Amino acid sequence: GNSVTQMEGPVTLSEEAFLTINCTYTATGYPSLFWYVQYPGEGLQLLLKATKADDKGSNKGFEATYRKETTSFHLEKGSVQVSDSAVYFCASLIYNQGGKLIFGQGTELSVKP
Amino acid sequence: GAVVSQHPSWVICKSGTSVKIECRSLDFQATTMFWYRQFPKQSLMLMATSNEGSKATYEQGVEKDKFLINHASLTLSTLTVTSAHPEDSSFYICSARELIAVGGEQYFGPGTRLTVT
Repeated sequence: GNSVTQMEGPVTLSEEAFLTINCTYTATGYPSLFWYVQYPGEGLQLLLKATKADDKGSNKGFEATYRKETTSFHLEKGSVQVSDSAVYFCASLIYNQGGKLIFGQGTELSVKP
Repeated sequence: GAVVSQHPSWVICKSGTSVKIECRSLDFQATTMFWYRQFPKQSLMLMATSNEGSKATYEQGVEKDKFLINHASLTLSTLTVTSAHPEDSSFYICSARELIAVGGEQYFGPGTRLTVT
């Protein structure tokens, strides 16, 4: 079936550290892939996306590359800030199921000054 | 652009009463809206998919008679939790998809915190 798996959190980093949050997916076909961010008490905001293999999504210093060979879409940022503290969700879009989003379990990131 | 609002942002109701949550697409037309439920420290669970002018499609295990969804226009969907119980307390989030193909991007509302006492 279709699923998304993320590394477990919480992830605690110091300001300016390098961030990687791993995400792998299983899907029939080639889904679009997304990273969403959720700040405390709020809904989800789209952070970045990629629609086909080898596409790189980027936004606000975050990047993720759609790797078909490893079925991965790892999120990276070279230098995190305290304001990046949030929960990050990886998701895949399943076209043949009415465009549903399949979410990973979420990874909480805490950045300390 | 592509803003989705929810109302109310939080609500407290007594056990046995019903509560309605609205989801609006403010600057685009949404043929499809999705309703999710999120428990603390957990991921989003899709409850149902609603298409404008037709009945909602519920995910397995979601009681359609308890969670009534109406999508009467291209900019408004409502979720009514009927005969609420404390276990219905949760964070409810809606998303809306623009009037394009299935692969269209979803835009999320800010969520509604429901507490049933």
